[in-house]
Amino acid sequence: AQSVTQLDSQVPVFEEAPVELRCNYSSSVSVYLFWYVQYPNQGLQLLLKYLSGSTLVESINGFEAEFNKSQTSFHLRKPSVHISDTAEYFCAVSGSGGYNKLIFGAGTRLAVHP
Amino acid sequence: GAVVSQHPSWVICKSGTSVKIECRSLDFQATTMFWYRQFPKQSLMLMATSNEGSKATYEQGVEKDKFLINHASLTLSTLTVTSAHPEDSSFYICSASLPRTNEQFFGPGTRLTVL
Repeated sequence: AQSVTQLDSQVPVFEEAPVELRCNYSSSVSVYLFWYVQYPNQGLQLLLKYLSGSTLVESINGFEAEFNKSQTSFHLRKPSVHISDTAEYFCAVSGSGGYNKLIFGAGTRLAVHP
Repeated sequence: GAVVSQHPSWVICKSGTSVKIECRSLDFQATTMFWYRQFPKQSLMLMATSNEGSKATYEQGVEKDKFLINHASLTLSTLTVTSAHPEDSSFYICSASLPRTNEQFFGPGTRLTVL
């Protein structure tokens, strides 16, 4: 079984500042890792994913995350945030086998202030 | 690509009535669809996993007779909340996965309010 811990429920930050949203996971098997973003009253949008290969993955809007197997972490970072990045961010894990049940963290509310 | 739709986007119903929510994969065939429930300011809770042509697999604590799931085709799954009560009010989100991958694509969600 897998589990996900998002260490910060809320992260306030000023516009153009860097940000890191932390995610740790536990699993007895190899995993796939995901970050999803949710805007108010909307579904989830995939931000980025780690399936295999390079441990550093990037999204098209400037976010990146690094899979660290030894620390069982998949922290999300952005060097300079915008007001429009204000949203709820969910880290999720699934086993890399055939059954693709996703386990979500509790979410981190990113609030970008001018 | 990989677009998932839900209908309706919001619904208000009276206590005791049943409500059906549709989830469709618009541009791909989804052998597996998932139904989640999300309470305000909380994470998603997986309710059930739906495979085309077979019975859904419900998570522990989810009432099968309360939340009926039908996955009749590779592009459509439905969730019916039977005899709805105010405590069933929530945001229901479906997702669909591509064959042979673990990536899920999420619908926009359905806001259910039971009066």
